[in-house]
Amino acid sequence: KNEVEQSPQNLTAQEGEFITINCSYSVGISALHWLQQHPGGGIVSLFMLSSGKKKHGRLIATINIQEKHSSLHITASHPRDSAVYICAVPDSNYQLIWGAGTKLIIKP
Amino acid sequence: GAVVSQHPSRVICKSGTSVKIECRSLDFQATTMFWYRQFPKQSLMLMATSNEGSKATYEQGVEKDKFLINHASLTLSTLTVTSAHPEDSSFYICSARMDENYGYTFGSGTRLTVV
Repeated sequence: KNEVEQSPQNLTAQEGEFITINCSYSVGISALHWLQQHPGGGIVSLFMLSSGKKKHGRLIATINIQEKHSSLHITASHPRDSAVYICAVPDSNYQLIWGAGTKLIIKP
Repeated sequence: GAVVSQHPSRVICKSGTSVKIECRSLDFQATTMFWYRQFPKQSLMLMATSNEGSKATYEQGVEKDKFLINHASLTLSTLTVTSAHPEDSSFYICSARMDENYGYTFGSGTRLTVV
């Protein structure tokens, strides 16, 4: 069993739809990261959270430590949101354990 | 915010030559730098972890003599692909751990093509 699991693996939606990407982890963590990788390859850190909820623009990330589950939501999705979204947690050596990523395509 | 500047963004080299990729932390001290490789349609794979002033720790299956990592200062880490071959063609990206709260920042990546 992978230590960090994401779902869905692929997601295609129409512009304007509400998007949810899920992440479950089996290791103890101090923080969980949501990252975005664009087709060109660059990676952007979206959120780092250890409890509750964070919001940045149209992006919302939540985490439930007891259930070891986190979700990333995108409201009013737009084609420019198309990217691969990755959740990751650091291990005891600060190395990130990566989820497999969710490839999101938003159609106009 | 904290930025890691990675250069070059793209490089094409001939088989057998060496290529150096640099990652500089611009406004913070990167005591730890992680180097990743990503093949098309695959996840990022950790190659090695470097700590300033000490030898890098390589992941299993990564040849340390082929992928030379130098982290001589708190603001600069380099990855040199020696005697590059076409199978080394990949996307290489560095990441630095910023602070004790486990924040990470990423370089913009280097797309290496060996011909």
